[in-house]
Amino acid sequence: NAGVMQNPRHLVRRRGQEARLRCSPMKGHSHVYWYRQLPEEGLKFMVYLQKENIIDESGMPKERFSAEFPKEGPSILRIQQVVRGDSAAYFCASSPAGGVEKLFFGSGTQLSVL
Amino acid sequence: DQQVKQNSPSLSVQEGRISILNCDYTNSMFDYFLWYKKYPAEGPTFLISISSIKDKNEDGRFTVFLNKSAKHLSLHIVPSQPGDSAVYFCAARSKGGSEKLVFGKGTKLTVNP
Repeated sequence: NAGVMQNPRHLVRRRGQEARLRCSPMKGHSHVYWYRQLPEEGLKFMVYLQKENIIDESGMPKERFSAEFPKEGPSILRIQQVVRGDSAAYFCASSPAGGVEKLFFGSGTQLSVL
Repeated sequence: DQQVKQNSPSLSVQEGRISILNCDYTNSMFDYFLWYKKYPAEGPTFLISISSIKDKNEDGRFTVFLNKSAKHLSLHIVPSQPGDSAVYFCAARSKGGSEKLVFGKGTKLTVNP
């Protein structure tokens, strides 16, 4: 039973480009969460999604960031027109039925903006 | 505004001794607390949790203590092993079934053989 899969593991973008981060939850999990970890910081909640629905996006920056979790396929975190301050580790977590008690994290995507 | 604080960035202990990692919080609405362990280049993995209605939870070598009046929790690892060397994050959830976790900055534990 594969865990939460994130790809790519490392992503390098130049300022102004778009970044797409993918997350495939564990089999049977329909709840996905995205967290961001800036250097020397703890993880910060960004967004919580269920299939085809955004449930809570209170942690998402108002501009340039969007997330989706389509009926088929992985969850995507999209960052448009990246800036250096977007450089961080982005972690995806999934759970079978919601609830922070059963969160499983992926290994993360390290985004570097040049 | 840091609601969950881990004031020690690092901790070093000898193998076989006790490791005590501390965490303070400011938000009285937090009702559930978790500890995660993170190795380099990996995601956090769940270690142990405690509800605010309890003051202690134990799982093998790991025990979490909660002092609600002081808004303080601690993770005890005994005996410590070299494989325990990792970054430990304290996290908290607000009442009302929130799906968000608020994390501290982490404490890097090094267990020396």
